[in-house]
Amino acid sequence: DAGVTQSPTHLIKTRGQQVTLRCSPKSGHDTVSWYQQALGQGPQFIFQYYEEEERQRGNFPDRFSGHQFPNYSSELNVNALLLGDSALYLCASSPETGENSPLHFGNGTRLTVT
Amino acid sequence: GDSVTQMEGPVTLSEEAFLTINCTYTATGYPSLFWYVQYPGEGLQLLLKATKADDKGSNKGFEATYRKETTSFHLEKGSVQVSDSAVYFCALSYSSASKIIFGSGTRLSIRP
Repeated sequence: DAGVTQSPTHLIKTRGQQVTLRCSPKSGHDTVSWYQQALGQGPQFIFQYYEEEERQRGNFPDRFSGHQFPNYSSELNVNALLLGDSALYLCASSPETGENSPLHFGNGTRLTVT
Repeated sequence: GDSVTQMEGPVTLSEEAFLTINCTYTATGYPSLFWYVQYPGEGLQLLLKATKADDKGSNKGFEATYRKETTSFHLEKGSVQVSDSAVYFCALSYSSASKIIFGSGTRLSIRP
């Protein structure tokens, strides 16, 4: 049973460019959340998707957007990249049902903006 | 707002030493508390959790007790191993549908 898979594993972009990161949730999970983890910091919540809609959003600018597809996979898009967007981007999935069901995290996409 | 504060690292111990990583939280409600672990090159894994006051979470020899009176959730292990070397994150959340608020992480290194 595959867990949460993310692609690509590493990515290098230039300031001002746009990037798309992808996530496939664990089998049976329908809720996907995205987190940004800067070097030496804890993950920060970006947003959560359920039923193809953004359900919650953290304190991130509109340059960060996402999408969830009917098969529950998800994309994170970041426009007009800044140097400060360099981080590890983590995707996490969970089933909607089941109070306090633990999140399952992918290994992340390391984004470097130069 | 809600937040989590944990002791800064790095923490370096010898194998078989006793481990404590301190964690305190600020919460407007009654969250569940978690410890996550991140091994090199891997994503976060749930280590243990506690859902209400006085609950003790435990896994792989690690323990933490939800202390409402001191707003703490300290991680302990009686005898650490080299394989425990990782970054440990204390966190809180109100439900599986809610965001998780993480502390800044504590890097643990165990010497053979």
